[in-house]
Amino acid sequence: GAVVSQHPSRVICKSGTSVKIECRSLDFQATTMFWYRQFPKQSLMLMATSNEGSKATYEQGVEKDKFLINHASLTLSTLTVTSAHPEDSSFYICSADDYNEQFFGPGTRLTVL
Amino acid sequence: AQSVAQPEDQVNVAEGNPLTVKCTYSVSGNPYLFWYVQYPNRGLQFLLKYITGDNLVKGSYGFEAEFNKSQTSFHLKKPSALVSDSALYFCAVTRQGNNRLAFGKGNQVVVIP
Repeated sequence: GAVVSQHPSRVICKSGTSVKIECRSLDFQATTMFWYRQFPKQSLMLMATSNEGSKATYEQGVEKDKFLINHASLTLSTLTVTSAHPEDSSFYICSADDYNEQFFGPGTRLTVL
Repeated sequence: AQSVAQPEDQVNVAEGNPLTVKCTYSVSGNPYLFWYVQYPNRGLQFLLKYITGDNLVKGSYGFEAEFNKSQTSFHLKKPSALVSDSALYFCAVTRQGNNRLAFGKGNQVVVIP
């Protein structure tokens, strides 16, 4: 089956620093990947749709300058949280689209001190 | 716009009893429906999907779901719950030609030994 990995699984950083999260499709190519944010015991909130070779499409209310997305290849999308603040602490999950079915990564727990 | 309602916050069931997790949806066009399960600090695991065909869909770990177009529902069921089924369950919908998923708020399932 299709496998999606995320790295790192857990990261702790100081306020004001930037953090990069990688999402990789391991055994298939994904033109489209998605980034979600999940607060404790809540649903997944779609942040942006990442398209290989073009700019990401951000959902309303998501700051594109704060959450930088790069989809440079068909197997890798990255999310960079710039100038992170404690309110950015969350669980970030990516998914990769394979023939209109999404396969999810294991998630990245970001804690900003 | 597409949306999903999961009316219950938590479902408690005794081990060995039938488990039902409810989901209703709203979408224009033909729905694509999904159920995912999430364990603490993990990504989403795919359980089953309905795209077309038989209304009764069988999935992983003994779960099944029935698509009911007239009631716009896609309830998840398992004949005999296990303690290991205790987790967070998400219903999601998209439509033909659209790969953006809309998630329900999730249901916490607690299986009591």
